[in-house]
Amino acid sequence: AQSVTQPDIHITVSEGASLELRCNYSYGATPYLFWYVQSPGQGLQLLLKYFSGDTLVQGIKGFEAEFKRSQSSFNLRKPSVHWSDAAEYFCAVGDPSGTYKYIFGTGTRLKVLA
Amino acid sequence: EAGVTQFPSHSVIEKGQTVTLRCDPISGHDNLYWYRRVMGKEIKFLLHFVKESKQDESGMPNNRFLAERTGGTYSTLKVQPAELEDSGVYFCASSQDQRGKVDFGPGTRLTVT
Repeated sequence: AQSVTQPDIHITVSEGASLELRCNYSYGATPYLFWYVQSPGQGLQLLLKYFSGDTLVQGIKGFEAEFKRSQSSFNLRKPSVHWSDAAEYFCAVGDPSGTYKYIFGTGTRLKVLA
Repeated sequence: EAGVTQFPSHSVIEKGQTVTLRCDPISGHDNLYWYRRVMGKEIKFLLHFVKESKQDESGMPNNRFLAERTGGTYSTLKVQPAELEDSGVYFCASSQDQRGKVDFGPGTRLTVT
């Protein structure tokens, strides 16, 4: 069955520390891959996406993600976390045929300590 | 440019009552999607409109849920009668085409007591 796993429900890091949020997927072929962030009271905002090509993807707000086909992973990273990064992060996969029937992970809630 | 808007932001109703959620997509976006997140679970696809037509409603949980998009503009999602397990956050999203950027709304938090 198609699924997305985000094994960490909560993560706490200190401001300025590095961050890695894990995402593994199960899909018949290589899907489109996305990371979204939801801050309180806001909608889901797209951080970055991978369709094909370079497996290291740069996104907004200083985030990047690396697609590793052999591990079926698409982990999100940031070298130095800011207090404003505290939010909930969602990994999602989409069908390469172009429809946006996403399959989301359960989300990782990030807390940033001052 | 206004983003995807949803109304209300929060609704609390009793089991058995009816609730209607509204979504206004970004102007010009033909594609409109509804998703739902039940507490602690993943965000799940409910259905997809292209203009006023339902393209895919495979994620609709049961016939207590009715989605409409009259005239291809705003959409409503009615739950009648509501059950406790319907509680969650309902997200609406829109896109100009199916391979372009998808914009999500802030969600409507539905609480059924």
